[in-house]
Amino acid sequence: GESVGLHLPTLSVQEGDNSIINCAYSNSASDYFIWYKQESGKGPQFIIDIRSNMDKRQGQRVTVLLNKTVKHLSLQIAATQPGDSAVYFCAESKTSYDKVIFGPGTSLSVIP
Amino acid sequence: DGGITQSPKYLFRKEGQNVTLSCEQNLNHDAMYWYRQDPGQGLRLIYYSQIVNDFQKGDIAEGYSVSREKKESFPLTVTSAQKNPTAFYLCASRIRKDRGGNQPQHFGDGTRLSIL
Repeated sequence: GESVGLHLPTLSVQEGDNSIINCAYSNSASDYFIWYKQESGKGPQFIIDIRSNMDKRQGQRVTVLLNKTVKHLSLQIAATQPGDSAVYFCAESKTSYDKVIFGPGTSLSVIP
Repeated sequence: DGGITQSPKYLFRKEGQNVTLSCEQNLNHDAMYWYRQDPGQGLRLIYYSQIVNDFQKGDIAEGYSVSREKKESFPLTVTSAQKNPTAFYLCASRIRKDRGGNQPQHFGDGTRLSIL
C-alpha cells in the first residue's frame, strides 16, 4: 500500500571524521547490493556495489561491508568532506529478479 | 557523453489532465525503469521494461502508463486516474542481466510534477 510520510534518518558528522551509514535489507535471497548518493534535486549516483560472494569491497574513500547472516549492509566513508552531504540509499537485487529494491535512505550532514 | 535525459525538469498538471514525462538514454541499455520518489522517502517502482515493445508493472503502476517503441526511449504518462501525482519522478536504465550480469542502474536528474 501507500507509505505514510517519514522523516529520513539523519547522520551528522564533523568534517574529516569517518562516516558509517547502515542498511538492513529485506530479502535473504538477494545477491547484489548497491549504494547510491542523491544530492538535492538530482537523481541518485552510483557509489559502490558488492555481490553476495564477498564480505567487503573498497573504493576511493568508501568501503561497503556485507553481513549476510543478519542481512546488514554498511557504507563507510573515510575523511568525510562537505561534498559528501547528501541522502544515501542502499538497494538490493537478485540475479533471477529484474527489480531493484531501495531502502528508505539516510541523510548525511557534514559539519565544517 | 552518454547518459539519461529526463524532460521537462518541472511539470504542472491540471485536474483531469494526462501528462507525459520523457526519458531518453544513449547508453545502449536494454532495461529501463520509472520510479516515484516522495519527500523523505525512498524510490518506488512504477514500471520497467527489459526490451523494446515489452514492459511490466512495478509496485505502484495504477494511474500510470508507459510505452517502449524504441530502445532509447521510455516515456511515462501520468493519467487523470492518478489522484496524488505530486512527486519527483526518476528514470533509470541498466544493462540487461542476461547480457552483463547484475549491474548498477544509471539515473536521470528527474522531473518534478506538481498539481495546479
